[in-house]
Amino acid sequence: DIQMTQSPSSLSASVGDRVTFTCRASQTISSYLIWYQQRPGRAPKLLIYSASILQHGVPSRFSGSGSGTDFTLTITNLQPEDFATYYCQQSYRSPLTFGGGTKVEIK
Amino acid sequence: QVQLVQSGAEVKKPGASVKVSCKASGYTFTSYGISWLRRAPGQGLEWLGRISTYNGDTNYGQKLQGRIIMTTDTSTTTAYMELRSLRSDDTAMYYCARDFIVGGTNWFDPWGQGTLVTVAS
Repeated sequence: DIQMTQSPSSLSASVGDRVTFTCRASQTISSYLIWYQQRPGRAPKLLIYSASILQHGVPSRFSGSGSGTDFTLTITNLQPEDFATYYCQQSYRSPLTFGGGTKVEIK
Repeated sequence: QVQLVQSGAEVKKPGASVKVSCKASGYTFTSYGISWLRRAPGQGLEWLGRISTYNGDTNYGQKLQGRIIMTTDTSTTTAYMELRSLRSDDTAMYYCARDFIVGGTNWFDPWGQGTLVTVAS
């Protein structure tokens, strides 16, 4: 199975900050990388697919980049509703696998 | 709007079975597959498998192979996930999600609200 590793596991930030976190695959996955946001008590929500394509309706302060094994998710001008856990997922090979998540907390 | 609504929380004893439902609305049910996923306490998300709502074909993850059964009822646009021979480590929040497979990439959108399954004696 392809292992997905996210770092850091958590970070503290303030409203208005720019935050970046990473997702690394144990082997190349081309651009088959998806990002989700999960707020407490809610289901995961699709943010980005194919590493950098923003899902319709997702604010433009979210952006994704990378290919191969290393990927990043950046949030500029952090808003109160962005405090959540973010997961990456690879769809290069079955079984589809997820990273352990990065929790963004309020400083 | 596109929505997946899951059945309520379940508490089961070890060795029992559980069946979780996922009612879809707001789109043509048979145009997209349904995947099932779970997140155990303190663990990450785990993909369990998918079912084609068009012809019923299934693709199960290896970990639960032999214990998991996915079905659909197109007349009620509902998908079901049954897990048998429950163990304590099956305690988790279970999610259904609509499958998007485009150009070789596969993502889930939207997700159901989740069903908490607790396995305890």
